[in-house]
Amino acid sequence: EDQVTQSPEALRLQEGESSSLNCSYTVSGLRGLFWYRQDPGKGPEFLFTLYSAGEEKEKERLKATLTKKESFLHITAPKPEDSATYLCAVGKNYGGSQGNLIFGKGTKLSVKP
Amino acid sequence: EAGVTQFPSHSVIEKGQTVTLRCDPISGHDNLYWYRRVMGKEIKFLLHFVKESKQDESGMPNNRFLAERTGGTYSTLKVQPAELEDSGVYFCASSADRGNEAFFGQGTRLTVV
Repeated sequence: EDQVTQSPEALRLQEGESSSLNCSYTVSGLRGLFWYRQDPGKGPEFLFTLYSAGEEKEKERLKATLTKKESFLHITAPKPEDSATYLCAVGKNYGGSQGNLIFGKGTKLSVKP
Repeated sequence: EAGVTQFPSHSVIEKGQTVTLRCDPISGHDNLYWYRRVMGKEIKFLLHFVKESKQDESGMPNNRFLAERTGGTYSTLKVQPAELEDSGVYFCASSADRGNEAFFGQGTRLTVV
C-alpha cells in the first residue's frame, strides 16, 4: 500500500538551531517527491520537487534531499518566520501521465526567537 | 498572475443539506485536483480532471459527492446530502503539463452540524 510517513510530528527549535525533518515513503510508480509549506488557514505552498535518488535542491535556509526510501528537509539557522507545517507528498504515475499526490501528515515546526 | 481561487472560504450547513464548492484554477492549467483534509488526518486525494474529463476519481468517498468541470475551466464539487463525516477542509489544486508541481488554493472549510 502506498504510504508517506513524516517525523517528527512536531518540532520546536530556537532561532538559529539547525535541524532536519524526515519523510519516508513506499509507493509504486513514483513520479516525484514534493515538499510543501502550509501556514494556518492557507493552502499548501510549493517548495521543491525531487525526482531521483541523490538529487538535492535548496531555497534560502531550506535544503531537500532524496534517497530511494526517504527524503530530508534540512533547515539551516531557522528564523521565526520559518514556523509552519511542512508537508511531504509523493506523486504517482497514472496511466503514464500525471497523477495525484499522496501526502504525509506533516511536521509542525515552531521557531522561537 | 492569479492563483487558485476557492469559494466559499467557510461553509456551515446542517446534515442533509446540499453544498457546492467552487474552484477557479490558474489560467491555462489543464490539470485540476480536489483534495480533502479531515480533522487529524492527512490531505487525501479525491479527484483529478484533465481539461473537462475525469482522469481519476478513485478518491471520491461515495456517490453523495459530484464533481464537474464545465468547459475545462472552473470546477464545482457538490455534496448532497451532506453528512457529519464530510466536515473538513477541501482543497483544490491545478498544474500545467505532466510532471509539474501543483498549486493549491486556500481551501474551503466545510462544517456539517
